Amino acid sequence: QKEVEQNSGPLSVPEGAIASLNCTYSDRGSQSFFWYRQYSGKSPELIMSIYSNGDKEDGRFTAQLNKASQYVSLLIRDSQPSDSATYLCALSNYGGATNKLIFGTGTLLAVQP
Amino acid sequence: EAQVTQNPRYLITVTGKKLTVTCSQNMNHEYMSWYRQDPGLGLRQIYYSMNVEVTDKGDVPEGYKVSRKEKRNFPLILESPSPNQTSLYFCASRLQGTNEKLFFGSGTQLSVL
Repeated sequence: QKEVEQNSGPLSVPEGAIASLNCTYSDRGSQSFFWYRQYSGKSPELIMSIYSNGDKEDGRFTAQLNKASQYVSLLIRDSQPSDSATYLCALSNYGGATNKLIFGTGTLLAVQP
Repeated sequence: EAQVTQNPRYLITVTGKKLTVTCSQNMNHEYMSWYRQDPGLGLRQIYYSMNVEVTDKGDVPEGYKVSRKEKRNFPLILESPSPNQTSLYFCASRLQGTNEKLFFGSGTQLSVL
């Protein structure tokens, strides 16, 4: 089982709709969770971080964390064509020896005008 | 401007010819790391450094070397590149805290023929 699993997509949504991106993880010791956005040929950019169970909202983005079920999700409201990108889920467990972020393979989001 | 600078942006080389990809950050970050990104495999950590003269292996260190003689620089060295090292490489840095944002360089697309 992969440490971080994401559906590769593409996830296609119409402009103005809500895009829902999901991520599951295997290590129950994971402490911090992140969503990065990566445009084609560009470097990843942090858009959300979440550390405790529940929802965290920032503008059109909402991150949701459920540690009991080991999943984290990202909702994008009022999706825009400029949101079309690959979204990477990442987590960390800095209590471990490797002190690293573990990334999922990403979900490709396509917002149709 | 706060940034992580990688060079070169594109590199084509031949098997066995030693090469170095440079990485420099101007944010006084303690932590620096190298990742490679391959289709279907996501971002995988090669090496990381917690501070000057402190480096450690990530998930895929074979065939790579790093050094951290100065806080701002973290070069990636391929002593004898092979075609399976053809990939997109990212350098990243952050402050030492567990929830600190990871800043990425713009990437180096390496092709080994």
